[in-house]
Amino acid sequence: DVKVTQSSRYLVKRTGEKVFLECVQDMDHENMFWYRQDPGLGLRLIYFSYDVKMKEKGDIPEGYSVSREKKERFSLILESASTNQTSMYLCASSITTSGTYNEQFFGPGTRLTVL
Amino acid sequence: AQSVTQLDSQVPVFEEAPVELRCNYSSSVSVYLFWYVQYPNQGLQLLLKYLSGSTLVKGINGFEAEFNKSQTSFHLRKPSVHISDTAEYFCAVTMVSGYSTLTFGKGTMLLVSP
Repeated sequence: DVKVTQSSRYLVKRTGEKVFLECVQDMDHENMFWYRQDPGLGLRLIYFSYDVKMKEKGDIPEGYSVSREKKERFSLILESASTNQTSMYLCASSITTSGTYNEQFFGPGTRLTVL
Repeated sequence: AQSVTQLDSQVPVFEEAPVELRCNYSSSVSVYLFWYVQYPNQGLQLLLKYLSGSTLVKGINGFEAEFNKSQTSFHLRKPSVHISDTAEYFCAVTMVSGYSTLTFGKGTMLLVSP
């Protein structure tokens, strides 16, 4: 089974802190994604990566950055956390096969509270 | 760009009753369509997907969905729900070509009561 793990289920940080959210997948997937989930807004894509050291902005990249130094690990960074970044963060991964779509597998999520 | 509209934010239903969760999409290009389910305190799990072929798609846990291109809809149905189906359901689309990024709807909370 594909497994996507996230470093913390719950995280509490203070305004202005630098925050790292870590995601690891064990299936050698090329693609990795970071979403945030807010009530009434669904999931929104923050950043994604289709290869090591490659990154692409999603729909809401402002206030975030990412790092992908190894294929299995994709980090989301909040350079200076703000209260409006309080949210559930979900990581996902998928394989690349040309000519078809491959399912994204999701981690359990990290609920981040910024005080 | 594509977008997804889930017409109901919450759907209450009694156990063993049928249910339909509605999803409409908008896109200028061909898309693939999906339904994901999120049980309380868990990540998302793929329920079913439409890539091509038959417009009636069957998924896990007895759910099915029908792709209607003319109405740009992909409604999710189950003939008889269980208490354990209580969860949030998300409709999503992705373009047939390009990066496989998903655009999600805002979600529909299915509340099944005895």
